[in-house]
Amino acid sequence: KNQVEQSPQSLIILEGKNCTLQCNYTVSPFSNLRWYKQDTGRGPVSLTIMTFSENTKSNGRYTATLDADTKQSSLHITASQLSDSASYICVVTGATDSWGKLQFGAGTQVVVTP
Amino acid sequence: SQTIHQWPATLVQPVGSPLSLECTVEGTSNPNLYWYRQAAGRGLQLLFYSVGIGQISSEVPQNLSASRPQDRQFILSSKKLLLSDSGFYLCAWSGRVGQPQHFGDGTRLSIL
Repeated sequence: KNQVEQSPQSLIILEGKNCTLQCNYTVSPFSNLRWYKQDTGRGPVSLTIMTFSENTKSNGRYTATLDADTKQSSLHITASQLSDSASYICVVTGATDSWGKLQFGAGTQVVVTP
Repeated sequence: SQTIHQWPATLVQPVGSPLSLECTVEGTSNPNLYWYRQAAGRGLQLLFYSVGIGQISSEVPQNLSASRPQDRQFILSSKKLLLSDSGFYLCAWSGRVGQPQHFGDGTRLSIL
């Protein structure tokens, strides 16, 4: 069973609008959570990383939140641009994974239309 | 700065043929190295990881193998490819445990 679930699976938004992506995880104990952006045909690129004690982190128009009690995270994209079209992947590291093994969500495919 | 290179970008191979995908990292020493496979609509699946030269751990039983002949070189191989080996293969590296993994641009492998 996948320990990281993302929703929605895909979404289409108009350029300039905001959107929020969700990530629920069951990994325990928890070390950190990361959001990656993956453009089509490219490798994922890290957007944010949050540890247990952090509940929000921003990277430009991307803002990630984390609720470690409910094991939920969200990624908010503000004023979307065409270049935001990509797959956004939630990745969780367990605290017992001494060498940094990651648990990947299946990703949310975002399409920004003009 | 650190960079990671993967090649080739795309590869079409017949069933039963051998495979060799190469990944190299520059600008860092003794990185942790990883091979992943990504199927459409699925999360990345870890295939192999390495914490040092000659040290390879496999996550899932499969038709593939990995080797690390040099500190910053990671190779994914197969003696005989299967149709099920088709997919998008990603190499990644990380420094200390807890640091983000940095991915290459992947190899799209198609088996005919």
